[in-house]
Amino acid sequence: DTGVSQNPRHKITKRGQNVTFRCDPISEHNRLYWYRQTLGQGPEFLTYFQNEAQLEKSRLLSDRFSAERPKGSFSTLEIQRTEQGDSAMYLCASRRGQSYEQYFGPGTRLTVT
Amino acid sequence: GQQVMQIPQYQHVQEGEDFTTYCNSSTTLSNIQWYKQRPGGHPVFLIQLVKSGEVKKQKRLTFQFGEAKKNSSLHITATQTTDVGTYFCAGEAGGTSYGKLTFGQGTILTVHP
Repeated sequence: DTGVSQNPRHKITKRGQNVTFRCDPISEHNRLYWYRQTLGQGPEFLTYFQNEAQLEKSRLLSDRFSAERPKGSFSTLEIQRTEQGDSAMYLCASRRGQSYEQYFGPGTRLTVT
Repeated sequence: GQQVMQIPQYQHVQEGEDFTTYCNSSTTLSNIQWYKQRPGGHPVFLIQLVKSGEVKKQKRLTFQFGEAKKNSSLHITATQTTDVGTYFCAGEAGGTSYGKLTFGQGTILTVHP
């Protein structure tokens, strides 16, 4: 499968714990996006990478959130000191060059208890 | 910030009936994209509209972009059970938006056979 992959698919954690998610984009895609989606809502933009550079972060992304894309390939999203409000589906999408289409991964569903 | 509103939130139709969802942006868009998300799935790209007044067709689906590039619609003719899912519009602002998409809340379509 040459699509976008995300791991883990599900994560249950206790409030206050740290979690890290991984996204592997389609190999030739230099643009990578993280979104968060809650039930009944559309995806909300969190952050954007072009190659290894993080070029934009949403105001939704508090200091507890950090994202990296160290070699311009896979990306990680870390949430520190999780809160119940962080429970959501975290989606990663990649995009090639100047094309419009964003290819979404299956997402990581986070549940904070 | 940019907001994208989408109506209706839900639409229940009998198989064979038509379906339309509408999207309005608070700001002028560079382009608008449409995605479909099946229950339990991730958003899948359908199409992008770039030009003012643009109309595109994909089999039974017709997409329109308003003259002011602030509104859009998706019309499905003679719905089928395979059309079930949530349809999202997603707007991209101009300038240095880096392809960041602002999604509408989505329209959940159910089709009764």
